[in-house]
Amino acid sequence: DQQVKQNSPSLSVQEGRISILNCDYTNSMFDYFLWYKKYPAEGPTFLISISSIKDKNEDGRFTVFLNKSAKHLSLHIVPSQPGDSAVYFCAASLNTGKLIFGQGTTLQVKP
Amino acid sequence: DGGITQSPKYLFRKEGQNVTLSCEQNLNHDAMYWYRQDPGQGLRLIYYSQIVNDFQKGDIAEGYSVSREKKESFPLTVTSAQKNPTAFYLCASSLDISYEQYFGPGTRLTVT
Repeated sequence: DQQVKQNSPSLSVQEGRISILNCDYTNSMFDYFLWYKKYPAEGPTFLISISSIKDKNEDGRFTVFLNKSAKHLSLHIVPSQPGDSAVYFCAASLNTGKLIFGQGTTLQVKP
Repeated sequence: DGGITQSPKYLFRKEGQNVTLSCEQNLNHDAMYWYRQDPGQGLRLIYYSQIVNDFQKGDIAEGYSVSREKKESFPLTVTSAQKNPTAFYLCASSLDISYEQYFGPGTRLTVT
């Protein structure tokens, strides 16, 4: 049973526009959410996180929104740059610290 | 400078052989983790360790074993009992079990 789902396997946007990556979850006990970025043949790098007590967290071009009633979070990248092209994973954490990952969304930013 | 190292980057083994993947960190992190990634799937947790000499099974521990004799090191052995060992293996660490995890560069294991 997939507790964290990224239903869009891929997304293509034009440079300078906004990229919106979505993630849905089923377990209301998750208390912390993270986004990771991954290039091919490399380990994921931590991007941004949000606690379940917040609904928004911003860091430069990256903003994560959390809608607890809908069990949905999204990552906004604005403006998108070609270097943002990568696979993005959302992950959710229980108090145990174990992370449950989504399947990933491949973002392509076209120049 | 601090980080997580995994070696080797690529590893090839014959079916029926055990193989050990290395993971070392100099971040002074207490917690360490092993994941595998398969095409089109997210990362799945194999084993994790909150502290030296302690480790727990993750979601897909069958066919794998680990040890945590030192804080810096968390080697993963892929045994011959693992049915589909060919995958990209990622090691991660975090300050403790509740913090963001930082990943190594990964080891791609191919078993033929």
